[in-house]
Amino acid sequence: DAGVIQSPRHEVTEMGQEVTLRCKPISGHNSLFWYRQTMMRGLELLIYFNNNVPIDDSGMPEDRFSAKMPNASFSTLKIQPSEPRDSAVYFCATSWGGGQETQYFGPGTRLLVL
Amino acid sequence: GENVEQHPSTLSVQEGDSAVIKCTYSDSASNYFPWYKQELGKRPQLIIDIRSNVGEKKDQRIAVTLNKTAKHFSLHITETQPEDSAVYFCAAGYTGGFKTIFGAGTRLFVKA
Repeated sequence: DAGVIQSPRHEVTEMGQEVTLRCKPISGHNSLFWYRQTMMRGLELLIYFNNNVPIDDSGMPEDRFSAKMPNASFSTLKIQPSEPRDSAVYFCATSWGGGQETQYFGPGTRLLVL
Repeated sequence: GENVEQHPSTLSVQEGDSAVIKCTYSDSASNYFPWYKQELGKRPQLIIDIRSNVGEKKDQRIAVTLNKTAKHFSLHITETQPEDSAVYFCAAGYTGGFKTIFGAGTRLFVKA
């Protein structure tokens, strides 16, 4: 199995631009989580899906952030418009089941907003 | 609400010494407690987990203990090596719940 796949691995953009991060979960996993990691705030859960349905998006910082999971094989996290304070590493993680199962993290997308 | 507290935030030990990281959780329904290790520039990866039907689990130099009454669980690393240097996250989840709550992380430095 290839594991969780994220793209792009690195993204540099200018303030105000739209950013789209992509995630392909491990085949068969039905839970998907988006995290943001910074030195200041650590690992933050932004949103999670179960069977493609968003369950809790209370961690999404602002309306500029949105996430979708159109099918079991693909999810996106979009920031529009981006701001310098959005600079962080964004991880996608997936699991079979929910809170009682291991989460497998993707390699992350390192985002820099200038 | 659900919360996992982790201590210490930073831990420095001499190579060969033991390291202990402690976590407490608030949700009494929690029954799954994984530990993740994140090396610099890498993703968090599971190193060991424990479920509430056991009090201790060991894997070579790593052990985890669970006290359900006190809602405490701990990670013990013996004979530490420089490659153990990383950030360690504890977490708590439960059967039927959708998510796992992560602690804030402990940065472990092992000095050679």
